[in-house]
Amino acid sequence: EPEVTQTPSHQVTQMGQEVILRCVPISNHLYFYWYRQILGQKVEFLVSFYNNEISEKSEIFDDQFSVERPDGSNFTLKIRSTKLEDSAMYFCATGTGGPDTQYFGPGTRLTVL
Amino acid sequence: SQQGEEDPQALSIQEGENATMNCSYKTSINNLQWYRQNSGRGLVHLILIRSNEREKHSGRLRVTLDTSKKSSSLLITASRAADTASYFCATGLIQGAQKLVFGQGTRLTINP
Repeated sequence: EPEVTQTPSHQVTQMGQEVILRCVPISNHLYFYWYRQILGQKVEFLVSFYNNEISEKSEIFDDQFSVERPDGSNFTLKIRSTKLEDSAMYFCATGTGGPDTQYFGPGTRLTVL
Repeated sequence: SQQGEEDPQALSIQEGENATMNCSYKTSINNLQWYRQNSGRGLVHLILIRSNEREKHSGRLRVTLDTSKKSSSLLITASRAADTASYFCATGLIQGAQKLVFGQGTRLTINP
């Protein structure tokens, strides 16, 4: 069964550094999402992406965050200057359309020191 | 309270018993989805129920949706130790949003 993959599984970085989290969507999916989950808290929506542009973003997704599909397959989340409070599990999700089933990747655990 | 709230927050039962988790939400929805998350792991999609559906089954899972009460329930029958996990409901909203709004989750523990 096809699945969403994410790399790396764990990223440790120093505060102020840039990180790029990568996701490989399921091949026929056109909608892409990033969510995050701070330890012990609920999963929060960050951004949705369709047709090579952001379709919606949350207030968490400020100017420090950006997303792109650099090569038409990978879907990346970049945090330009990481803060301690960015430490969380980041999940990529993909889907075939709109508010339908979203398939989540295994997540990247980001630790900012 | 926030969109997508589960209760109870934690549930501990004996293997073989049924487990029922509830979810309430506040706004109109397109669909409601249930996910499972094992400790520190990813989210596994369990079942999706659309706003025009009232009940759905998948194996040992039964989901109901009451749009008049803005609530849903997830029933796991004949629970197994492997069902130990956190369970989240997530609502897909109507207003053009493709995002899912998650609740806080129910931590289910199945005791052997």
